[in-house]
Amino acid sequence: DTGVSQDPRHKITKRGQNVTFRCDPISEHNRLYWYRQTLGQGPEFLTYFQNEAQLEKSRLLSDRFSAERPKGSFSTLEIQRTEQGDSAMYLCASSLLRGGLFEQYFGPGTRLTVT
Amino acid sequence: TQLLEQSPQFLSIQEGENLTVYCNSSSVFSSLQWYRQEPGEGPVLLVTVVTGGEVKKLKRLTFQFGDARKDSSLHITAAQPGDTGLYLCAGRNSGYSTLTFGKGTMLLVSP
Repeated sequence: DTGVSQDPRHKITKRGQNVTFRCDPISEHNRLYWYRQTLGQGPEFLTYFQNEAQLEKSRLLSDRFSAERPKGSFSTLEIQRTEQGDSAMYLCASSLLRGGLFEQYFGPGTRLTVT
Repeated sequence: TQLLEQSPQFLSIQEGENLTVYCNSSSVFSSLQWYRQEPGEGPVLLVTVVTGGEVKKLKRLTFQFGDARKDSSLHITAAQPGDTGLYLCAGRNSGYSTLTFGKGTMLLVSP
């Protein structure tokens, strides 16, 4: 079990540029979640997938954000035309139904800084 | 919107002291999870509680779920510097697949 991995760990970009983050979940986990965390706050839900289907999106996920999980394995989160307010830690988590629970396991996150 | 309020927001103690942090909501949760997060890293799952009144122990950490499943507490006995971190509670409401997080309690344990 190698855990959830995210790439890159850090990204600095200029306002207006597009960025893409990748998440590789724990291999047997069928659910994958994206969260955003800003300083002094807990993680806020953005979207989640069950296999390749995107089942729920938060109102926080503006039109500039898009997420995919094309083969039900890894996922990407793209932010178009980045704004300074997009600066945050982007966290990915995965889970598998076990004992009636979907316990979520998080990756190390991608820290985005928009200058 | 379900809200989880954690208290205190910040706690600074000496090694060896005991402490309790709280997680409260007006909503009923089907399950509640506690995580610890270190700076620059993702949250690490500590425990999941499901049944009202449930108590779980993880070494020096004791977790309790309120009888009405609206609140939870985390008690640490004889805190150590390695316990330093942000403690987050997260609740899942029945019928929903997503977690609602509190803002966390930042714990600093000094030697």
